[in-house]
Amino acid sequence: GAVVSQHPSRVICKSGTSVKIECRSLDFQATTMFWYRQFPKKSLMLMATSNEGSKATYEQGVEKDKFLINHASLTLSTLTVTSAHPEDSSFYICSASGTGIGYTFGSGTRLTVV
Amino acid sequence: EDQVTQSPEALRLQEGESSSLNCSYTVSGLRGLFWYRQDPGKGPEFLFTLYSAGEEKEKERLKATLTKKESFLHITAPKPEDSATYLCAVPTDSWGKFQFGAGTQVVVTP
Repeated sequence: GAVVSQHPSRVICKSGTSVKIECRSLDFQATTMFWYRQFPKKSLMLMATSNEGSKATYEQGVEKDKFLINHASLTLSTLTVTSAHPEDSSFYICSASGTGIGYTFGSGTRLTVV
Repeated sequence: EDQVTQSPEALRLQEGESSSLNCSYTVSGLRGLFWYRQDPGKGPEFLFTLYSAGEEKEKERLKATLTKKESFLHITAPKPEDSATYLCAVPTDSWGKFQFGAGTQVVVTP
């Protein structure tokens, strides 16, 4: 079945630094990738949608300059949290879809900003 | 506005004690209702997709059903390994964007 690998699984960074999270589709070409954020005991909130080779489409209220998304290839999308602050601490999850492939989620990244 | 509401928020079951989780939704033009299982610190794992009222799908001890306004996830004779948060989700106006419910956290004790 379709597999999406997300790294790192956990990251702790200092306030003001940037953190990059990678999402790779291992056995299919992901034409579209989605980035979600999840707060404890809360629902997944869609942050942005990215299509390979195009600029990401951000949901209302998501700062595109803080959450930089790159989808340069059909197997890799990255989310960079720039100038991270404690309020950016959260669980970030990517999801990928491709032709004939359903929506497969990565295993998530727990970001803690100290 | 599309909405997905899950109940209860949490459910504690004895092993073997069957129960049901509810997912009610309001969406213009249902494009499917998805159920996922999420373990702590992990991404959601796909369970089922239901597309039309009356449809049912089963996987081991889980059975999902769909009506025009809600879906149920029935857990029959659960085991401790069924402990997880169960999420339901519906695609919104753009295929691929999902509206998720807040989930039901299920704990099955031996």
